[in-house]
Amino acid sequence: EPEVTQTPSHQVTQMGQEVILRCVPISNHLYFYWYRQILGQKVEFLVSFYNNEISEKSEIFDDQFSVERPDGSNFTLKIRSTKLEDSAMYFCASSEDPQIAGAQYFGPGTRLLVL
Amino acid sequence: AQSVSQHNHHVILSEAASLELGCNYSYGGTVNLFWYVQYPGQHLQLLLKYFSGDPLVKGIKGFEAEFIKSKFSFNLRKPSVQWSDTAEYFCAVNANNAGNMLTFGGGTRLMVKP
Repeated sequence: EPEVTQTPSHQVTQMGQEVILRCVPISNHLYFYWYRQILGQKVEFLVSFYNNEISEKSEIFDDQFSVERPDGSNFTLKIRSTKLEDSAMYFCASSEDPQIAGAQYFGPGTRLLVL
Repeated sequence: AQSVSQHNHHVILSEAASLELGCNYSYGGTVNLFWYVQYPGQHLQLLLKYFSGDPLVKGIKGFEAEFIKSKFSFNLRKPSVQWSDTAEYFCAVNANNAGNMLTFGGGTRLMVKP
């Protein structure tokens, strides 16, 4: 069964550094998403991406965040200048058309720790 | 803004017991509803989904959920749990006027004693 994959599984960085989290969505999916889960809190939506542009984003997804689909397979989340409060598990997801019964399938996550 | 509540944070059951996990959401319009499961050390996996039609939805591993629109609920059930069902269970909602974003509940951690 096809799966969403994410790299790295863990990342430790210093405050102020840039990080890039990588995802390979399921190959026939066209909708891509990032979510995060701060320890002890709910899974929160960050951004959705379709047809090479952001289709919606949450208040969390400020100017420090960006997403990109640099080639036909990867989908990345960049945090330009990390803050302590960016420490969280970041999940990538992908789906077929979500309005036609396309459920979102999640990757294993990247655990980001900002020191 | 939509919100999702899972009132049971921790549930402990013995094998063969029946399971019902509550999920309530706050949104008056059309919704798509999901249950995800996260086994220890693994990623979120889709258990079942409801988009339309029969409000009783059957998923994988013997799980089912019932959408009761009047109660804004989508409770997850399994008649007889197994030790391997030990996991965290997440309810999620997509409101049709909120794009494609999922709003998650806080999760219910289920432990099944052998």
